[in-house]
Amino acid sequence: AQTVTQSQPEMSVQEAETVTLSCTYDTSENNYYLFWYKQPPSRQMILVIRQEAYKQQNATENRFSVNFQKAAKSFSLKISDSQLGDTAMYFCAFMSEETSGSRLTFGEGTQLTVNP
Amino acid sequence: EPEVTQTPSHQVTQMGQEVILRCVPISNHLYFYWYRQILGQKVEFLVSFYNNEISEKSEIFDDQFSVERPDGSNFTLKIRSTKLEDSAMYFCASRARGLSGKLFFGSGTQLSVL
Repeated sequence: AQTVTQSQPEMSVQEAETVTLSCTYDTSENNYYLFWYKQPPSRQMILVIRQEAYKQQNATENRFSVNFQKAAKSFSLKISDSQLGDTAMYFCAFMSEETSGSRLTFGEGTQLTVNP
Repeated sequence: EPEVTQTPSHQVTQMGQEVILRCVPISNHLYFYWYRQILGQKVEFLVSFYNNEISEKSEIFDDQFSVERPDGSNFTLKIRSTKLEDSAMYFCASRARGLSGKLFFGSGTQLSVL
């Protein structure tokens, strides 16, 4: 079974600064997808960024980018130019490409606070 | 952008009562999911549904839970006899064909069991 670990329960950053959230995962599979989801106080689950494991190039979406290290099973999220609206819980998630149903397995989450 | 719709947004029920949580997935999606999140905890998988049958379920999804897609548009989660520990936010999600397709989540139903 896959596991996802986020070792930072809480982090804070000053507005306009850069912050990196850590995520590691454990799997024996070779083909899978990794995701970062943002959950603001409204509790809506919002997809931030997605990475296919077969791609070596790190995914980027505007101010959000990842550092995907497949051998190390590490998938960190970098937020540049942090904004107050980035304050939220961030969940790292894994999805297998090799099993039916393809459920997402989530980490415990990191609560990010952006300070003015 | 198309969205997954969940109703109601809040549901309060008495312990032992049956509840049905409703979801309208995105119309051309084929894979449907229920997740739950107890306050302050991570999001946990309950069940996935494809081609009118359950494709995978977690250990949480015991005999008290059932899912149904009664009319080709709605996707429901039924809890037969609610317990206090069923209090949580329940998220519905859907996905298009192809594993690269992302999951779209609804805004959730907060279930409170008293």
